[in-house]
Amino acid sequence: NAGVTQTPKFQVLKTGQSMTLQCAQDMNHNSMYWYRQDPGMGLRLIYYSASEGTTDKGEVPNGYNVSRLNKREFSLRLESAAPSQTSVYFCASSRTSGPSSYNEQFFGPGTRLTVL
Amino acid sequence: GENVEQHPSTLSVQEGDSAVIKCTYSDSASNYFPWYKQELGKRPQLIIDIRSNVGEKKDQRIAVTLNKTAKHFSLHITETQPEDSAVYFCAAGTTDSWGKLQFGAGTQVVVTP
Repeated sequence: NAGVTQTPKFQVLKTGQSMTLQCAQDMNHNSMYWYRQDPGMGLRLIYYSASEGTTDKGEVPNGYNVSRLNKREFSLRLESAAPSQTSVYFCASSRTSGPSSYNEQFFGPGTRLTVL
Repeated sequence: GENVEQHPSTLSVQEGDSAVIKCTYSDSASNYFPWYKQELGKRPQLIIDIRSNVGEKKDQRIAVTLNKTAKHFSLHITETQPEDSAVYFCAAGTTDSWGKLQFGAGTQVVVTP
């Protein structure tokens, strides 16, 4: 099993450009998450998908959109990139199956994004 | 919403000594408290977690304690080794949050030989 995979690993954008970060998991997990990691700020949730067909905002959703394409794939789109979106982006998944269910989150390798 | 504070932000310990990282949370409905370890350039990985019906949990050299009354939980690493050098994140999960976690800002642990 590959676990959680992300593409690309690195990306440089110019302000105003758009791009989509891809994430896939092969563990048959229900829930998927997108985080950004900035120095001294930990991991902040951008969007999550509790189950296939549902998405919801996290702590820092502004400037981003997501698509839960199917149970395996969850993509993050930046429509008009800004320098403030320079960060490391992590996708994660878990087999969480209910509102009060907690299971280990498995993280992908991350995407390092720089916006000039 | 939930707010998790983590201290210290950096921690330097001699090999063989113990390390303690403390976190506080604000939402009394939080009932799941995992700890993740992130080595340089790598992804975060779960090392231990505790649920609100348990006060302490151990796994070899790692232990976590939870004080629900005071709303704080701690990670204890005994007999530290150079491979324990990493950033450690605490997190809290709240009832009815569909697995969402609120992470602390992280603690950089450096173990010196």
